[in-house]
Amino acid sequence: QSVLTQPPSVSGAPGQRVTISCTGSSSNIGAGYVVHWYQQLPGTAPKLLIYGNTNRPSGVPDRFSGSKSGTSASLAITGLQAEDEADYYCQSYDSSLSGYVFGTGTKVTVL
Amino acid sequence: EVQLVQSGAEVKKPGESLKISCKGSGYSFSSYWIAWVRQMPGKGLEWMGIIFASDSDTRYSPSFQGLVTISADKSISTAYLHWSSLKASDTAMYYCARLTTTSFDLWGRGTLVTVSS
Repeated sequence: QSVLTQPPSVSGAPGQRVTISCTGSSSNIGAGYVVHWYQQLPGTAPKLLIYGNTNRPSGVPDRFSGSKSGTSASLAITGLQAEDEADYYCQSYDSSLSGYVFGTGTKVTVL
Repeated sequence: EVQLVQSGAEVKKPGESLKISCKGSGYSFSSYWIAWVRQMPGKGLEWMGIIFASDSDTRYSPSFQGLVTISADKSISTAYLHWSSLKASDTAMYYCARLTTTSFDLWGRGTLVTVSS
């Protein structure tokens, strides 16, 4: 059972903006641990999308952005494109579990 | 090319043992932690544990402690995930991933393990 909660699904039309929330607690996000985001396209391995709350690895379009506040974090996708249809996971560290934790995952559908 | 190459898909029977592998190349394998991540069919990602190949320091998720063994051979830049007695519930895709600071920046393509009688 994941300690980071995400909405199961979000959807939007091409060109729209969607956001995905990642809600944690005082032992992970709220404790100051950074949040990372991964994109998993159908049938493929996850790929690092955002690291250190807000940073994009080389090659990731600036349509993707991350933020963090309190015990939550968010991933925003602006100018939604068909190729963004995928599952998205947040990830952090949890001091109570002494280990890394993933969010429950969110499926993004482009209408 | 910097990459993690995982061993191929496996089909096993309940009670059998299995060891899958993850070989790093293109970077200093011993300088990074390698994690194992489970993804059950149609489900999310679960962190199983990590190993530092340089000294084999290993940490396990409480959910997987005692159920699997993580090991590494730094001489051949390879990490392993081992089961001594598989169950049907171990059927899943298993990914290895490189840990950089606190994020997983490099992933293998995954090894599909199917356990069925």
